[in-house]
Amino acid sequence: ETGVTQTPRHLVMGMTNKKSLKCEQHLGHNAMYWYKQSAKKPLELMFVYSLEERVENNSVPSRFSPECPNSSHLFLHLHTLQPEDSALYLCASSQEGLVDEQFFGPGTRLTVL
Amino acid sequence: GQNIDQPTEMTATEGAIVQINCTYQTSGFNGLFWYQQHAGEAPTFLSYNVLDGLEEKGRFSSFLSRSKGYSYLLLKELQMKDSASYLCAVMDSNYQLIWGAGTKLIIKP
Repeated sequence: ETGVTQTPRHLVMGMTNKKSLKCEQHLGHNAMYWYKQSAKKPLELMFVYSLEERVENNSVPSRFSPECPNSSHLFLHLHTLQPEDSALYLCASSQEGLVDEQFFGPGTRLTVL
Repeated sequence: GQNIDQPTEMTATEGAIVQINCTYQTSGFNGLFWYQQHAGEAPTFLSYNVLDGLEEKGRFSSFLSRSKGYSYLLLKELQMKDSASYLCAVMDSNYQLIWGAGTKLIIKP
């Protein structure tokens, strides 16, 4: 148990659907991250929130919309996705201001039809 | 640009020793991390090196040479449960993690 949970674990959606991914951390951290993991590719950082403020966007398409209502919760809202968006979406948290490891959730396996 | 290179896949025998290499070119350096990721699971932290040399932690050791932009993860007395992907990541001058694509380690009996 890493202290970071994600729901749902698996999601299949059509290109016209709207869905949301949820992440919750129970570690008292103040920074949260969304990553995309595709087969045989490096982890791609999508969004970073520090103290509930977004600090990194990394040119992610607008069909991905993050939300961080408080330091324990992070959402990724999805709409009009493309098949190439199918991947494992990982959430992580850490303590901002420290060179410290990130703690990851188990991920949501997303398939876009 | 920033780049992390590690082998795509390695195979080793149960009980043996394996070394997974990682080379990097990044804008600044604030340490190198190794993570383990079993199939379908979250990456979990293994080690952190910021100074040159070898850090030992049980069966796993990690080495760093900053002048060469090189690290390796050494796994001893391999067990079947060590079959996983091993991810190398470098923290750059902006304290962002730059990730390698991971090395899939297959352990055979």
